[in-house]
Amino acid sequence: ETGVTQTPRHLVMGMTNKKSLKCEQHLGHNAMYWYKQSAKKPLELMFVYNFKEQTENNSVPSRFSPECPNSSHLFLHLHTLQPEDSALYLCASSPGSGSYNEQFFGPGTRLTVL
Amino acid sequence: GDSVTQMEGPVTLSEEAFLTINCTYTATGYPSLFWYVQYPGEGLQLLLKATKADDKGSNKGFEATYRKETTSFHLEKGSVQVSDSAVYFCAIKRDNQAGTALIFGKGTTLSVSS
Repeated sequence: ETGVTQTPRHLVMGMTNKKSLKCEQHLGHNAMYWYKQSAKKPLELMFVYNFKEQTENNSVPSRFSPECPNSSHLFLHLHTLQPEDSALYLCASSPGSGSYNEQFFGPGTRLTVL
Repeated sequence: GDSVTQMEGPVTLSEEAFLTINCTYTATGYPSLFWYVQYPGEGLQLLLKATKADDKGSNKGFEATYRKETTSFHLEKGSVQVSDSAVYFCAIKRDNQAGTALIFGKGTTLSVSS
């Protein structure tokens, strides 16, 4: 248990559906991240939020829309996805600046797009 | 840009064998270095880290030394167990700021048999 939870753990959706992934951290961290993990590819950074402000969008298609209402919660809204978007989506958080801090990961949401 | 290169897997070992997983990186400055482990069906967990040259990170019998001259951070364990079977990721963080994402290698799958 890392202190970062993600729901749902598994999600199957059609290409016309709209769904949301949720991430919550109980660690008092200030930065939160979304990563995509596909088979046989490195983890891909998608978005970074620092103190609720988006600081990085790694050229992610607009069908993925992040939301960070406060420092403890991060959402990833999904709409009109493609089958190639099927992957494990990982959320992570890290403390504020001033230390060589690692990221703490949630268990991930396994997404299947039909 | 910054990058991480890990040895290709899978690595298959018998219990009590010696393990080495090679990792080299390309980065400007002095990044922090990490090894993460991902057990089946779970998210990533920090295994060990090193923040400056010649630092040795260690945890659960695993070790890795920050070698600036060879830009390497090879993971070693003297005697692996079946429970060590997992995917291992080498990662770097190029600065000390919150919200700076990790850059990961592709991961190396380790399979240990009894």
